[in-house]
Amino acid sequence: GQNIDQPTEMTATEGAIVQINCTYQTSGFNGLFWYQQHAGEAPTFLSYNVLDGLEEKGRFSSFLSRSKGYSYLLLKELQMKDSASYLCAARDSNYQLIWGAGTKLIIKP
Amino acid sequence: IAGITQAPTSQILAAGRRMTLRCTQDMRHNAMYWYRQDLGLGLRLIHYSNTAGTTGKGEVPDGYSVSRANTDDFPLTLASAVPSQTSVYFCASSDGTGGLPQYFGPGTRLTVL
Repeated sequence: GQNIDQPTEMTATEGAIVQINCTYQTSGFNGLFWYQQHAGEAPTFLSYNVLDGLEEKGRFSSFLSRSKGYSYLLLKELQMKDSASYLCAARDSNYQLIWGAGTKLIIKP
Repeated sequence: IAGITQAPTSQILAAGRRMTLRCTQDMRHNAMYWYRQDLGLGLRLIHYSNTAGTTGKGEVPDGYSVSRANTDDFPLTLASAVPSQTSVYFCASSDGTGGLPQYFGPGTRLTVL
């Protein structure tokens, strides 16, 4: 079957760095997406990886290892506004997204 | 309009009633999607449309139907609502089916009693 695993909840301190991990098993693989979702709002796109390696975009970076079925989202210089759920989604051979349940990130002052 | 709009924002519905959730986008995206989001579960695809005039079934299509008469609109209909359809429903669109990012509407919170 197809499956995405990510931690349910993480806590970090304002100004620190946090890494949110995601492992995936899909029928075929055509890329890995990360989305941010604030409580009561819609998911918004953060990053996309299709090749192995690190993609950096400001304070956020995303890493992919296709051989390991593994990705992580790295958030630097954490701000209170980064408190949100972070959704990992893998695109399968049919180009449909398989979504994880999300990681709720709590930022403490 | 900028992006994707959904209506209504929220709705309480009696079981057995028919309900249509509306979704409109102004980005001229070819592909559109309907998801439901339930606590503790990932987004689950209900139906999708790769282009106007075509639709396809997602992971959880039973009890739902869609139509795509034009590029902009993608309504989702619950023919006879049941309590298990209580959820938050998100409409999304993307520019092509090649996996470009999906952009989401604000969601509809539906409660079926």
